[in-house]
Formats: sequence, C-alpha cells, structure tokens
Amino acid sequence: AQSVAQPEDQVNVAEGNPLTVKCTYSVSGNPYLFWYVQYPNRGLQFLLKYITGDNLVKGSYGFEAEFNKSQTSFHLKKPSALVSDSALYFCAVRGLTGANNLFFGTGTRLTVIP
Amino acid sequence: DAGVTQSPTHLIKTRGQQVTLRCSPKSGHDTVSWYQQALGQGPQFIFQYYEEEERQRGNFPDRFSGHQFPNYSSELNVNALLLGDSALYLCASSPRTVLYGYTFGSGTRLTVV
Repeated sequence: AQSVAQPEDQVNVAEGNPLTVKCTYSVSGNPYLFWYVQYPNRGLQFLLKYITGDNLVKGSYGFEAEFNKSQTSFHLKKPSALVSDSALYFCAVRGLTGANNLFFGTGTRLTVIP
Repeated sequence: DAGVTQSPTHLIKTRGQQVTLRCSPKSGHDTVSWYQQALGQGPQFIFQYYEEEERQRGNFPDRFSGHQFPNYSSELNVNALLLGDSALYLCASSPRTVLYGYTFGSGTRLTVV
C-alpha cells in the first residue's frame, strides 16, 4: 500500500536559515511524489513533484526537494527561510499504479521566526 | 483565469441531515477529485470524476456520493450526516491525470452539530 510519513509535526527555523521538512515514503512500484503547502483557511497549493529524472527537483517559491531512493525519502528544502514560508506542508504520493489519487501525510507545521 | 471555485465556504448542518457541496474546476481541467480533511490531518481521497462518471473511489461509505456535469463541475453529496463528517472538504481539479498536479479550491468547512 502507498503511504508517506512526516515524522515532525512542527519545525521551527530562524528567518534566513536553511529549512528542511522531512518525508519518507512506502510504495509499490515507481514513486510519484508531491509537496503541497496550505495557508490558514485555504486549500492546498502545489509546490513541486518528482516523477522521474534528476533526484533534485526545483519548485515554486524557491523550494526544492531531494529524492533519495535508498532512504525512501523526499525531503523539502529551502536555502533561506522567509517569515512568509510559515504554513502547513504536506507530502503526498500517488496511489497504486494507474491510480489518480494522492495519499497525503499528516502534515508538518513550519514556523519561521523573525 | 479562475482557479477552482467551491461553494459554500462554510456550512452548519444537524446530524442526520443531507448536504450538497459544489465545485467548479479550473478552466481546461476535466477531472474533479474530492478530499476530506479532518482537523489536524492530511486530506483523504473520497472519489474522482471524469467524463461524468466516478472513476475511482477511496475508503468512504456509500453515504458519500457525487456527480459531474457536462461542463465538468461537480457536486459532493453526503447523506445521514454524522458528527464525524465535520471537516474541510476540498475539491481538486486536474487535466485527466494527477501526474500533472492538482489545483485545489479553498474548501468548504462543514460542521455537523
């Protein structure tokens, strides 16, 4: 069965410092992985995805993620955090082969401290 | 270019009642998916509609049903509401496959009392 785990409920980082939000996955078949961000009282916004190819994926708002097959991880990163990056971040994996749904993690709340 | 539009934004219903939520997909998208996001949780897949048919369904009871119209808009119906149905209901549209990425609406906050 497809699943993702986000081991940290909360991540705090100082403004200007690099940030990492962790995600590990468990899948049958090729992993198709996504990161979404949710601001208060809003829907989810797409940040980036890994389908195939380069293990370092670049996305919106300066975010990037590194796909690591041996560690089954897909951590979200940003070199320099902004206060406006404070939000809820979700990692997701596509359902079984041929499916068109996503399985989401429980989310990580990122707080960037000025 | 309008994104995904959901209505209403908030709704309060009594246990046992029925509710209908509505979604207009992003222009150019023909596939609509519905997700339930309980407080403090990630979204959970309810079902997906494509070409006016339910193409895929998650682990939700038959009380949850839906419909897609020829203009690709969609409705989510929930019958016999339970307190546990209180959640944010998210509509997501995409061009046929999720691999292109979803566009989510802002959601409908349903409270069952």
